[in-house]
Amino acid sequence: SQTIHQWPATLVQPVGSPLSLECTVEGTSNPNLYWYRQAAGRGLQLLFYSVGIGQISSEVPQNLSASRPQDRQFILSSKKLLLSDSGFYLCAWSGTGGFEKLFFGSGTQLSVL
Amino acid sequence: GNSVTQMEGPVTLSEEAFLTINCTYTATGYPSLFWYVQYPGEGLQLLLKATKADDKGSNKGFEATYRKETTSFHLEKGSVQVSDSAVYFCALGNAGGTSYGKLTFGQGTILTVHP
Repeated sequence: SQTIHQWPATLVQPVGSPLSLECTVEGTSNPNLYWYRQAAGRGLQLLFYSVGIGQISSEVPQNLSASRPQDRQFILSSKKLLLSDSGFYLCAWSGTGGFEKLFFGSGTQLSVL
Repeated sequence: GNSVTQMEGPVTLSEEAFLTINCTYTATGYPSLFWYVQYPGEGLQLLLKATKADDKGSNKGFEATYRKETTSFHLEKGSVQVSDSAVYFCALGNAGGTSYGKLTFGQGTILTVHP
């Protein structure tokens, strides 16, 4: 069966520090991968998606970047965090056959202070 | 562009009460509609979906009907349980093309059910 792992579960970082959140998927190959963010009081917003190794699409301009160094690994990064980067970050994967349902990780609560 | 609007929460109910969480959307084309649920300490998981007008999605006693004429997909359950306490997200997605399964989510509705 497929599983998705996301870590850490919580993170507190000072403004200006770097960020690296990692997500890995097991039990499937060539998944579509996604990073979503939920800011306080707002809905989930798609940040990045990837359809293959090294292929990243950004949905909104921001202080963050994403990379996919391996087929089932998706990393969310920042060189210098801003206060506005605080939020709940969710990694997700889906199959590639047209529209597929999303399978989410358990999320990372990021607080930038 | 696509957007989803959910009723604001939090919603607090007693066990066995009737639940409705409203969801309306704006979208181009013919989107699929979803309800995702997030239980405490867990990631989101798909609760139910509907892929075309008048379809009814159902799971675990929850139901939602895709109403194109009112652009709505309200979630209902006849008798809630304490274990239904969670955050519920309405979402839409456009199949095929270059959509790659991207979803547009509502802001989520917190449901708390008391014994």
